[in-house]
Amino acid sequence: GAVVSQHPSWVICKSGTSVKIECRSLDFQATTMFWYRQFPKQSLMLMATSNEGSKATYEQGVEKDKFLINHASLTLSTLTVTSAHPEDSSFYICSAAGVSVGTGELFFGEGSRLTVL
Amino acid sequence: GENVEQHPSTLSVQEGDSAVIKCTYSDSASNYFPWYKQELGKGPQLIIDIRSNVGEKKDQRIAVTLNKTAKHFSLHITETQPEDSAVYFCAPLGAGTYKYIFGTGTRLKVLA
Repeated sequence: GAVVSQHPSWVICKSGTSVKIECRSLDFQATTMFWYRQFPKQSLMLMATSNEGSKATYEQGVEKDKFLINHASLTLSTLTVTSAHPEDSSFYICSAAGVSVGTGELFFGEGSRLTVL
Repeated sequence: GENVEQHPSTLSVQEGDSAVIKCTYSDSASNYFPWYKQELGKGPQLIIDIRSNVGEKKDQRIAVTLNKTAKHFSLHITETQPEDSAVYFCAPLGAGTYKYIFGTGTRLKVLA
């Protein structure tokens, strides 16, 4: 199956700093990527949908100025958590849907655990 | 919006027994019904899926059944093994969209 890689897998930062998480589709072109947030023992909550070359669409309640999403190429999307605070600590997961896949299947990254001190 | 619920929220079975998880959704336009397995600290992985023109699909020990009229689909795992222990999510998908809405999740524990 298609491979989606996330980096870093875990990161610890101080409150007030910004953190960037990368999501790459390694063997297919991803026209659409999704970013999810998952708190402990909870389900995945969709944060935003990003399409290559256009602005991301954010879900209700997600601050676009705090969670900056860039999808500059068909294989890379980035999520930047700006001015991070302890309440932003969570597991962030990206997923990608491919042009050539066309089955409706989503391919998920391994997730990035963010801890804000 | 789509409302997706799973039952039960937790399930413990003895090794070798069967496990069934049910997913109920509200969007009658949904036409793709996947099940994902998430192990601790990892991203979800697709384990089986079914489309609206099929009522049942089986892959070795795993099967999915779909009832579109009642708007629910179920995951069946037979001959459970300890490595089946994980959290399982359903994520029905509406037509013409990739916007998945994940269910509430079911924590399966297989006791050796």
